[in-house]
Amino acid sequence: QLQLQESGPGLVKPSETLSLTCTVSGGSISSSGYYWGWIRQPPGKGLEWIGNIYYSGSAYYNPSLKSRVTISVDMSKNQFSLRLSSVTAADTAIYYCTRRRSSSSCRDSWGQGTLVTVSS
Amino acid sequence: QSALTQPASVSGSPGQSITISCTGTSSDVGGYNYVSWYQHHPGKAPKLMIFDVSNRPSGVSDRFSGSKSGNTASLTISRLQAEDEADYYCDSYTVSGTWVFGGGTKLTVL
Repeated sequence: QLQLQESGPGLVKPSETLSLTCTVSGGSISSSGYYWGWIRQPPGKGLEWIGNIYYSGSAYYNPSLKSRVTISVDMSKNQFSLRLSSVTAADTAIYYCTRRRSSSSCRDSWGQGTLVTVSS
Repeated sequence: QSALTQPASVSGSPGQSITISCTGTSSDVGGYNYVSWYQHHPGKAPKLMIFDVSNRPSGVSDRFSGSKSGNTASLTISRLQAEDEADYYCDSYTVSGTWVFGGGTKLTVL
């Protein structure tokens, strides 16, 4: 069974870069037919789509975050990563990594989520 | 892109049916059959309940159903149970190749 696990610092200083990694187990990140992505939920707010990437490297990002976000894939480690630059307190959130079937809205696998707090 | 519009809250008694709406535009909900619904209990990962407007993943109760008319998608939960109490989110593919979520609906089982 596919499992996703987020990892990374739980505390990031304002203006610095948030970096998270999602490790995929029970399946290959290079399998065709799936997009790998990130979604976040600020405290007390709703879910926000950040972006996703195909194993080939083709990526799409939320227009409101596009200038600060990079999602990448490391097939050798079966991982994908999120980098969000110039963070502010508004980027404090639970960050989830996900898998979505291509040509479908079937986002059936989620990591447990990791809380990242932006504070000095 | 603007968030899809969901009611902030809905409620129902055990055994009743409720419907949660998710309104977008012709550039997202109305333009594609790529709408999903997620159930979210605090402290847990969201759970996919419906995908591609009306499809249920394996293991999801048939009490959950989805539909779409024009720019509005709907999630119906029949025979309401206490365990259904949670936050529910819709999301949709958009014309820009991105995805957008609704603001979420808190379901209270009375």
